[in-house]
Amino acid sequence: DQQVKQNSPSLSVQEGRISILNCDYTNSMFDYFLWYKKYPAEGPTFLISISSIKDKNEDGRFTVFLNKSAKHLSLHIVPSQPGDSAVYFCAAGAGTYKYIFGTGTRLKVLA
Amino acid sequence: ETGVTQSPTHLIKTRGQQVTLRCSSQSGHNTVSWYQQALGQGPQFIFQYYREEENGRGNFPPRFSGLQFPNYSSELNVNALELDDSALYLCASSLAGVEEKLFFGSGTQLSVL
Repeated sequence: DQQVKQNSPSLSVQEGRISILNCDYTNSMFDYFLWYKKYPAEGPTFLISISSIKDKNEDGRFTVFLNKSAKHLSLHIVPSQPGDSAVYFCAAGAGTYKYIFGTGTRLKVLA
Repeated sequence: ETGVTQSPTHLIKTRGQQVTLRCSSQSGHNTVSWYQQALGQGPQFIFQYYREEENGRGNFPPRFSGLQFPNYSSELNVNALELDDSALYLCASSLAGVEEKLFFGSGTQLSVL
């Protein structure tokens, strides 16, 4: 039972264009969502978060959108840079200690 | 401000052995969580410690156990290792409260032969 799904295992985008990474969840109790970026041989690095009381949160080139009715969130990266090439994980929590992670999307930004 | 550090970085064990992995939390953080990341998967929650007590547990058997020390550092112990325990083990620290952001270490890559 996968409560957090990232259905696109990989994504390629040209440098300077927008990258859109998607995440779907099934548990309506989730009230806090995070995005992490992971480079090989490193731990996940926190990128941006959003609570369920908001539908958008922005931090520099990164914006997360939350659509509660569709149980869907997305991460937009504008403009995309080659250094953004990494695996991106979304994670969801329900006011408790435990976060459920998706399986990740590998983003490749082409120079 | 020091980040989350884990040791060792790599470890090879044989089936049936026991292993201890260590984690030092980011300064100022009082909560530590452990995750297992198998190849091609996302991190899976093992358990969390707060104030030296287990604060919650994921779907892992009792042979996975942990400790948190007064300085908030932590250990993950796995007994009777199985081949499927081969994975990257990630420690994450956070500050207890609403909207906890997890800060991860680089992980320990465990191989069970």
